Amino acid sequence: GDSVTQMEGPVTLSEEAFLTINCTYTATGYPSLFWYVQYPGEGLQLLLKATKADDKGSNKGFEATYRKETTSFHLEKGSVQVSDSAVYFCALSPNTGFQKLVFGTGTRLLVSP
Amino acid sequence: KAGVTQTPRYLIKTRGQQVTLSCSPISGHRSVSWYQQTPGQGLQFLFEYFSETQRNKGNFPGRFSGRQFSNSRSEMNVSTLELGDSALYLCASSPPLAGPGETQYFGPGTRLLVL
Repeated sequence: GDSVTQMEGPVTLSEEAFLTINCTYTATGYPSLFWYVQYPGEGLQLLLKATKADDKGSNKGFEATYRKETTSFHLEKGSVQVSDSAVYFCALSPNTGFQKLVFGTGTRLLVSP
Repeated sequence: KAGVTQTPRYLIKTRGQQVTLSCSPISGHRSVSWYQQTPGQGLQFLFEYFSETQRNKGNFPGRFSGRQFSNSRSEMNVSTLELGDSALYLCASSPPLAGPGETQYFGPGTRLLVL
């Protein structure tokens, strides 16, 4: 079945450091790919998405490129801030027409001043 | 536009009881999906409703059920609660012509504790 694998956390960085969170997926067909972020005590917020191969999603300085050849969707940010501390989830939506997300386990990011 | 709202936000129940959680989608959205979030299993899809019909269901026992009303509001019900049902239950809605790649907008969740 469809699945998403993302790197274990926590990821601990100093402010202004470069961030990479790895995400790979297994799916039939051509899924859409998402990164969601969850702040403490809150629900999930969409960070960015890509719906086809080679698409790049970007938002708030975060970027991820849909790589079909490596089945990956790694999240990157050039300079993290303390306010970026949160849990980040990589997810896929199978190309079935139904609204179902398959999530990775989440990666906690801790940014210190 | 108001976001997805879920009620109640917190709930404490005892084993064997049943519980009903409510979700109001963003105005105009017709698709509502439910997810369970636990530390051990992560985020898992429960089911999706569109125009009052269940379109898709995850791998959960029959104790978990749901429904959607004509105004797109949705409820999920868990009967005969077990300790393992303690979780954050998240609801998400999608725009009217929701298709592959459409964004799901999440509510703040209902945290259920089963004692």
